[in-house]
Amino acid sequence: QKEVEQNSGPLSVPEGAIASLNCTYSDRGSQSFFWYRQYSGKSPELIMSIYSNGDKEDGRFTAQLNKASQYVSLLIRDSQPSDSATYLCAVNTASGSRLTFGEGTQLTVNP
Amino acid sequence: GAGVSQTPSNKVTEKGKYVELRCDPISGHTALYWYRQSLGQGPEFLIYFQGTGAADDSGLPNDRFFAVRPEGSVSTLKIQRTERGDSAVYLCASTGSYSSGANVLTFGAGSRLTVL
Repeated sequence: QKEVEQNSGPLSVPEGAIASLNCTYSDRGSQSFFWYRQYSGKSPELIMSIYSNGDKEDGRFTAQLNKASQYVSLLIRDSQPSDSATYLCAVNTASGSRLTFGEGTQLTVNP
Repeated sequence: GAGVSQTPSNKVTEKGKYVELRCDPISGHTALYWYRQSLGQGPEFLIYFQGTGAADDSGLPNDRFFAVRPEGSVSTLKIQRTERGDSAVYLCASTGSYSSGANVLTFGAGSRLTVL
């Protein structure tokens, strides 16, 4: 079992729709969870972090965490073509010394 | 510096050659990470430094890979006897403070290594 698993995608949504990206992790002791966005040919950039169960909202982005189910998701409301990118889920292991990434989900928002 | 700086941005080498990749982290950042990203994959952890010492090098794939950070700032990733499978983008990231549960990484632009 991979430490961090994401929907393989690609995911395609129309402009203005809600994009839903999902991630599961295997280390039950993990404490910190992140979503990074990576445009083609660029390096990852942090868009959301979440540490507690529940929802965390930042503009059009909402991160959701359920530690009991070992599940974290990212919702993008009112999706824009500029949101088209690969979204990487990242999890701090219980030891806290490294960030483990999923393989990423490629999102395309169609005008 | 204002951001994480990596050089070279692109490196093409021949199989069997030695390569060095350099990372200059954000000024004052104590923790520095190296990741490797192959096409279509997420970043794969290689090694993490806290100050001058390698706190976790469990991601280095074999003994051809080595990294140093002698003065606790700039780091160099060294790859000996390169193989075609080493071709990837090598990403460096730094973070200002370390505590379990709070590693927010800022990445450099990466060094694209191509081994012919």
